[in-house]
Amino acid sequence: DTEVTQTPKHLVMGMTNKKSLKCEQHMGHRAMYWYKQKAKKPPELMFVYSYEKLSINESVPSRFSPECPNSSLLNLHLHALQPEDSALYLCASSQGGDRGIQYFGAGTRLSVL
Amino acid sequence: QQQVKQSPQSLIVQKGGISIINCAYENTAFDYFPWYQQFPGKGPALLIAIRPDVSEKKEGRFTISFNKSAKQFSLHIMDSQPGDSATYFCAANDYKLSFGAGTTVTVRA
Repeated sequence: DTEVTQTPKHLVMGMTNKKSLKCEQHMGHRAMYWYKQKAKKPPELMFVYSYEKLSINESVPSRFSPECPNSSLLNLHLHALQPEDSALYLCASSQGGDRGIQYFGAGTRLSVL
Repeated sequence: QQQVKQSPQSLIVQKGGISIINCAYENTAFDYFPWYQQFPGKGPALLIAIRPDVSEKKEGRFTISFNKSAKQFSLHIMDSQPGDSATYFCAANDYKLSFGAGTTVTVRA
């Protein structure tokens, strides 16, 4: 089973709202990732957690706040977003030492009004 | 700057034809080269991947060719089917994945 589950599938929020995206995997993977994908563009890396510790932050604005409560869960907390943050947010996971073999979830389609 | 250059941006192929997508890179630290297939509204799915010590890998109708000296690799989709219509991303891994810009493949029935 190579499933990464993301919830919700769709989210609409105002610029003053606070919301969270959730990602879950049960493959025993020790690295988890958040990506942002705009239409017709490749995924852009936002954050990497390795063994539940934040190891990469690609200079993402502080209105995006990641959290890794345990090895199976990854959250992305959203606050005071801008309309240009509207995108598909993808979660991925991989075995701890091999970041090349990443398995992606279906994503959360986020619209910021 | 994009570390992996992918071409063409889009291609149209007849059912049963061959689709070819090319990628090039400069960073010799890349050690793994996966291809992802993405359908509209879905996340990218790992399709096939190769390591630089192998020159070719085939899985079903999908083949990766890898030329280490030229720093190029390509995906061939043989006997293309309408269900193959999707966006394909090549990628390369060092400490993180670097994606190409993507190729939209349309297979006409």
